[in-house]
Amino acid sequence: AQSVTQPDIHITVSEGASLELRCNYSYGATPYLFWYVQSPGQGLQLLLKYFSGDTLVQGIKGFEAEFKRSQSSFNLRKPSVHWSDAAEYFCVVGTGFQKLVFGTGTRLLVSP
Amino acid sequence: DGGITQSPKYLFRKEGQNVTLSCEQNLNHDAMYWYRQDPGQGLRLIYYSQIVNDFQKGDIAEGYSVSREKKESFPLTVTSAQKNPTAFYLCASGRGEGEVETQYFGPGTRLLVL
Repeated sequence: AQSVTQPDIHITVSEGASLELRCNYSYGATPYLFWYVQSPGQGLQLLLKYFSGDTLVQGIKGFEAEFKRSQSSFNLRKPSVHWSDAAEYFCVVGTGFQKLVFGTGTRLLVSP
Repeated sequence: DGGITQSPKYLFRKEGQNVTLSCEQNLNHDAMYWYRQDPGQGLRLIYYSQIVNDFQKGDIAEGYSVSREKKESFPLTVTSAQKNPTAFYLCASGRGEGEVETQYFGPGTRLLVL
């Protein structure tokens, strides 16, 4: 069965510092991968997605993610975090239409 | 301005009462979804619909019902059979891109039990 692991429940980063959120997936075929962000009490916003091609994908708000097949990973990065980036981040595996498997999320806290 | 709207933002349910959550989209997407979110958990799929007048159960459909009479609308009813309805409910619509699909989410409805 497909699964997604986000090993960090909480991460605290200083404003201006770099960020990396980890994501590992389990899926037998080529996965379709997404990162979504959720602010408190809000819906999910799509940050970026990987379907095929270049394994380094750029998203909105200065985020990027790299697909590493050998490590079954799709880590999210940002070179310089802003206070407005504080939110919960979900790594998601898509296995075609209708079926998304969500990680349990990583809550990002940004310290001054 | 295209998007997905959900109403109400907060909803209170009394014991034994059915309540209906609204979801509307003007993105012209064929597929629509309902998810439930509980603290510390990822989203879980309740129901989905690929086309008007057709829908399928997701992973946790018990105690819920849906309809899809129009492409733009996919209301969710939380029935009295759902014993633990307190959660954040998210509606999404899906845009197909070849063999894959990207889902876009509404702002959510928080359901609380009185």
